[in-house]
Amino acid sequence: GDSVTQMEGPVTLSEEAFLTINCTYTATGYPSLFWYVQYPGEGLQLLLKATKADDKGSNKGFEATYRKETTSFHLEKGSVQVSDSAVYFCALLKAAGNKLTFGGGTRVLVKP
Amino acid sequence: DTAVSQTPKYLVTQMGNDKSIKCEQNLGHDTMYWYKQDSKKFLKIMFSYNNKELIINETVPNRFSPKSPDKAHLNLHINSLELGDSAVYFCASKVSAGQGADRYLNEQFFGPGTRLTVL
Repeated sequence: GDSVTQMEGPVTLSEEAFLTINCTYTATGYPSLFWYVQYPGEGLQLLLKATKADDKGSNKGFEATYRKETTSFHLEKGSVQVSDSAVYFCALLKAAGNKLTFGGGTRVLVKP
Repeated sequence: DTAVSQTPKYLVTQMGNDKSIKCEQNLGHDTMYWYKQDSKKFLKIMFSYNNKELIINETVPNRFSPKSPDKAHLNLHINSLELGDSAVYFCASKVSAGQGADRYLNEQFFGPGTRLTVL
């Protein structure tokens, strides 16, 4: 079946550091890929997405590129802020599908 | 103006009780979901309804019964609560193919969650 694997956290960084969260997936066909963010005490919010190979999703300084050859969708941000402290989820959706498959989530803590 | 709302936000109850969690979305979406997030933040889909019809039912105990009175609501009723049911439950909704702009086709909007604690 489909699956998403993320690096385990927590990831602890200092402000203005570079952030990378690895995400790889296993799926047949051509899924769409997503990053969701969950701030403390809140629900999930869509951060960015990519619907086909080589697409780059970007939002709020975060970027991720859909790499079909390596089945990856790594999340990056060049300079993190304390407000980026959250849990980040990588997810995939099969074409015309209804079910998001989530990775296990990666907790990121940014210290001043 | 809340897009997807859930009530209650917190629910503390004893083992064996029956409880319900309500979800409402005002986005005009026709597909709604329930997810369970465990203490390790692992998120797993439980159910999905499209136009009030069940379309996804993962391996969930039949003590859990979703009910969709209309497209804007998807409630979750849990019978005979167990300790292992303690989790945060998230409702979500999305627009299905043909109903809205394609660029929103795959985006699910999540509610704020209901933290259920079973004692």
